Amino acid sequence: EPEVTQTPSHQVTQMGQEVILRCVPISNHLYFYWYRQILGQKVEFLVSFYNNEISEKSEIFDDQFSVERPDGSNFTLKIRSTKLEDSAMYFCASSSVTTEAFFGQGTRLTVV
Amino acid sequence: RKEVEQDPGPFNVPEGATVAFNCTYSNSASQSFFWYRQDCRKEPKLLMSVYSSGNEDGRFTAQLNRASQYISLLIRDSKLSDSATYLCVVKGPGLNTGNQFYFGTGTSLTVIP
Repeated sequence: EPEVTQTPSHQVTQMGQEVILRCVPISNHLYFYWYRQILGQKVEFLVSFYNNEISEKSEIFDDQFSVERPDGSNFTLKIRSTKLEDSAMYFCASSSVTTEAFFGQGTRLTVV
Repeated sequence: RKEVEQDPGPFNVPEGATVAFNCTYSNSASQSFFWYRQDCRKEPKLLMSVYSSGNEDGRFTAQLNRASQYISLLIRDSKLSDSATYLCVVKGPGLNTGNQFYFGTGTSLTVIP
């Protein structure tokens, strides 16, 4: 069964450092998403990506964040200068026009 | 105004009980509707899609009322393993292009022995 894969599963970084979270969406999907979930809180939308560009982003997705699809398979989220409050679980998801969103297992980011 | 609203609970029910979760959505142009289940520190996983005619999967029944913009999930004969957070998710047109998924806050369920 096809699945969305994310790496790493856990990332610890120092405040101010850059991190790149990686995702491999399901191969025939066209829509890609990043969400985050702070421990004990709701799933929050960050950004959606379609046709090689951002289609929508939330207020959370400020200039410190960027996304890329550098090749035909990877979809990355970069945080340029991490803050303590960026500590959260980051989920990548993908979908086709007709399907639900399929989620990766998440990357737990801990900023110290 | 929130796109999707759910009662966050928590719902604490004994094994064998029937429990119902409700959800409302604001955008009448929404296209598809889902219930996801999320276990602690895990990713959301699709429990079931929701159709206008209503659909059932074992102990789980989902209903959609488009006129009222209301979605429900009924769990019969609750099991300990049903303890999780249940997310109401609505798929609709994004602000710009493409599809967008709108999440409720989730409803926490604990099934007690």
